[in-house]
Amino acid sequence: DAKTTQPTSMDCAEGRAANLPCNHSTISGNEYVYWYRQIHSQGPQYIIHGLKNNETNEMASLIITEDRKSSTLILPHATLRDTAVYYCIVYFGNEKLTFGTGTRLTIIP
Amino acid sequence: GAVVSQHPSRVICKSGTSVKIECRSLDFQATTMFWYRQFPKQSLMLMATSNEGSKATYEQGVEKDKFLINHASLTLSTLTVTSAHPEDSSFYICSARGGTGLKGYTFGSGTRLTVV
Repeated sequence: DAKTTQPTSMDCAEGRAANLPCNHSTISGNEYVYWYRQIHSQGPQYIIHGLKNNETNEMASLIITEDRKSSTLILPHATLRDTAVYYCIVYFGNEKLTFGTGTRLTIIP
Repeated sequence: GAVVSQHPSRVICKSGTSVKIECRSLDFQATTMFWYRQFPKQSLMLMATSNEGSKATYEQGVEKDKFLINHASLTLSTLTVTSAHPEDSSFYICSARGGTGLKGYTFGSGTRLTVV
């Protein structure tokens, strides 16, 4: 079973920041938070991951709460190409990935 | 780095025939690969874990005789859908662990199988 809870869908205006929340209240101390996204009819794409510190890369920022029970993926300036299903997954090491239902993000022109 | 190539991207086959899907890690060695299937508007469902040089481990409810997995080298895993039926029509995706460190898993681009 997936260990995360995400909203089913979200809309965001083009050019604005998209903030995607994820709850992972049962996360264990050594589990990382990973974000992937899947554009229609493609394989999932890695976005970012973190353990407890906030992280930023060229694609997005990841904000993890101090208790690590939730996180937010931030796409700072959303474009139409960011329309996709975003998956938040927690795991450690050699575990097999289990996908939840994800958030369907639609960027509105 | 860390590219996974999946082939073919689309395939149409007749009922009763078998279809082979290939998953290759192009620039790293993958001792473990994973196979998923995805129905329209649904999430990815793990089918099996493929281990180089040993038998695959199938998830509960997945018929191992129907979905044959071979992982004969460190860069290639294949999924063969045997005696395909229309209900096997789906989007199949492979992934591999390795070459990306803590960046997790790399996914292939998927194979759209249509059984007619």
